[in-house]
Amino acid sequence: DIVMSQSPDSLAVSLGERATINCRSSQSLLSSSNKKNFLAWFQQKAGQPPKLLIYWASTRESGVPDRFSGSGSGTDFTLTITSLQAEDVAVYYCQQYYGAPITFGQGTRLEIK
Amino acid sequence: EVQLVESGGGLVQPGGSLRLSCAASGFTLGNFWLHWVRQAPGKGLEWVANINEDGSEEYYVDSVKGRFTISRDNGKSSLTLQMNRLRGEDSAIYYCVRGRGWIFDPWGPGTLVTVSS
Repeated sequence: DIVMSQSPDSLAVSLGERATINCRSSQSLLSSSNKKNFLAWFQQKAGQPPKLLIYWASTRESGVPDRFSGSGSGTDFTLTITSLQAEDVAVYYCQQYYGAPITFGQGTRLEIK
Repeated sequence: EVQLVESGGGLVQPGGSLRLSCAASGFTLGNFWLHWVRQAPGKGLEWVANINEDGSEEYYVDSVKGRFTISRDNGKSSLTLQMNRLRGEDSAIYYCVRGRGWIFDPWGPGTLVTVSS
């Protein structure tokens, strides 16, 4: 199985500041056939199901604010939230869909400092 | 609006069975893969099973193989997860998820399964 590891487990960022969450996979998620990274990011607010933010490592889902961006390739990926807003408090998960079974990172809890 | 709504969760004793359902609306179910993903209380996400568009292919995480069965009825726009020989570690919120290609979107609100004596 592909193991996904996120860092940090939690972080606190001031309103208006940048938040950076890292995700590392145990093997490359870059497909040689379509040159895409099979990685997604989800946001889960308290008491709600996860919501898709980013797929193919850097494609923002429709309706997601442009302060959210994804980057990285191969085994190392980053979710960046520029200018943190109060409504961004949540747990964030990365997910790989390159290999079976589909696996998720352990989650990163984002709070306001 | 695309919607998925799960039902059928509840309290069951270890070794018992439970059948979860997911009702879909706002899209043609038969055009998409479907998944079940679970989340133990206070824990992370675990993919459980998926099924292809016509129900001819099913895949499971190792920990539920031989105990859980995923199925679908495209005519009734529904997805089912039959869970047998339940264990304490199966306690979780179970989410029904549409597969947009390989992309998991949207997710239903989930249904809680508690396995306890």
